[in-house]
Amino acid sequence: NAGVTQTPKFQVLKTGQSMTLQCAQDMNHNSMYWYRQDPGMGLRLIYYSASEGTTDKGEVPNGYNVSRLNKREFSLRLESAAPSQTSVYFCASSEAPLLSNQPQHFGDGTRLSIL
Amino acid sequence: ILNVEQSPQSLHVQEGDSTNFTCSFPSSNFYALHWYRWETAKSPEALFVMTLNGDEKKKGRISATLNTKEGYSYLYIKGSQPEDSATYLCAPRSGNTPLVFGKGTRLSVIA
Repeated sequence: NAGVTQTPKFQVLKTGQSMTLQCAQDMNHNSMYWYRQDPGMGLRLIYYSASEGTTDKGEVPNGYNVSRLNKREFSLRLESAAPSQTSVYFCASSEAPLLSNQPQHFGDGTRLSIL
Repeated sequence: ILNVEQSPQSLHVQEGDSTNFTCSFPSSNFYALHWYRWETAKSPEALFVMTLNGDEKKKGRISATLNTKEGYSYLYIKGSQPEDSATYLCAPRSGNTPLVFGKGTRLSVIA
């Protein structure tokens, strides 16, 4: 049972390069989320998708775009990477739409360094 | 964005000690409060989802209480073990907004 799978696990980019972080869940969850985790800052929400076909900005959306490709997959794109985007990125999913009381299930994270 | 405060930031206890941490959040328009356990080099795992004032949840040696009127939740660990070492995150939800995570309490249990 894979749960939430993120790829890649590690990536080093140069400033200005673009890349897409992939996330897939096999739990038939409706809602998916992208967070970044920085030292001393906790988990901050970048974007979320309450259900297939919808996406919304979170707390720190600048510099990112997302695509909810289908119910299983939710990708995060950095169009022009900046050193300030060096972080650990976590994808999460939850069973029911946003207002439910279901817990979130997290992937193992992608450690991204931008030089 | 909700203001979520967790205290203390970090805590060192001896094996066998009992301990507790606090999560404070705005009491207005409260919807739910989540607790997660996050071990180093792993991903956060859900412990509890709490919704009702006065709620108490328990999982093994870990329990949590919720006071929505005054805006706080306590997480208790009874008889701490080294495997309890982790960062404990709380995340309230207000109205129709997504979860907002606190910065966590980092617990180290010394054998």
